[in-house]
Amino acid sequence: GQQVMQIPQYQHVQEGEDFTTYCNSSTTLSNIQWYKQRPGGHPVFLIQLVKSGEVKKQKRLTFQFGEAKKNSSLHITATQTTDVGTYFCAGRDTGTASKLTFGTGTRLQVTL
Amino acid sequence: DAGVTQSPTHLIKTRGQQVTLRCSPKSGHDTVSWYQQALGQGPQFIFQYYEEEERQRGNFPDRFSGHQFPNYSSELNVNALLLGDSALYLCASSLGTPRYEQYFGPGTRLTVT
Repeated sequence: GQQVMQIPQYQHVQEGEDFTTYCNSSTTLSNIQWYKQRPGGHPVFLIQLVKSGEVKKQKRLTFQFGEAKKNSSLHITATQTTDVGTYFCAGRDTGTASKLTFGTGTRLQVTL
Repeated sequence: DAGVTQSPTHLIKTRGQQVTLRCSPKSGHDTVSWYQQALGQGPQFIFQYYEEEERQRGNFPDRFSGHQFPNYSSELNVNALLLGDSALYLCASSLGTPRYEQYFGPGTRLTVT
């Protein structure tokens, strides 16, 4: 079945440093979504990418969808302590329209 | 405008028992998906309901079943509980086609002893 892996599993940065998490799917995706989950909380939708090679920005966050629609990345510029949490990508396989497969997640810790 | 609500918040059950979890979707949403999230892992898709029918199912045994009511609320039932069923159960709602974003509820923490 479809697998979605993320690297790194964990990253600890100092406030102000940049952060990137990478997401790779074993199958081609129809779209990919990104979620953030704070410790003890539930996933919160950040963004959806649909087109091959698409790039979207939200303030300090930049999201990319690969040309082959099998990978994606999230880059945070100048991290802040409010960025702490686990970032998940979640993809819809082209053959299973309703099922969203979540990645393994990248836990981000930011210290002053 | 209420978001997705789930009940109960926490639940402790014994092996072999049955449990029912409930979810009310965000106002205006008609599609409900259920996920199981084990500690330190990403949410795993259980199934999705739309128009009171199961639209798609993940790799979960038949012990996991669900229902959607005419008001779009939903229930997740788990029979013959196993220790491995201990997890956070998340409900997510969306509008119609799965191309749209999902809004997650706070989850139900189930502990099986």
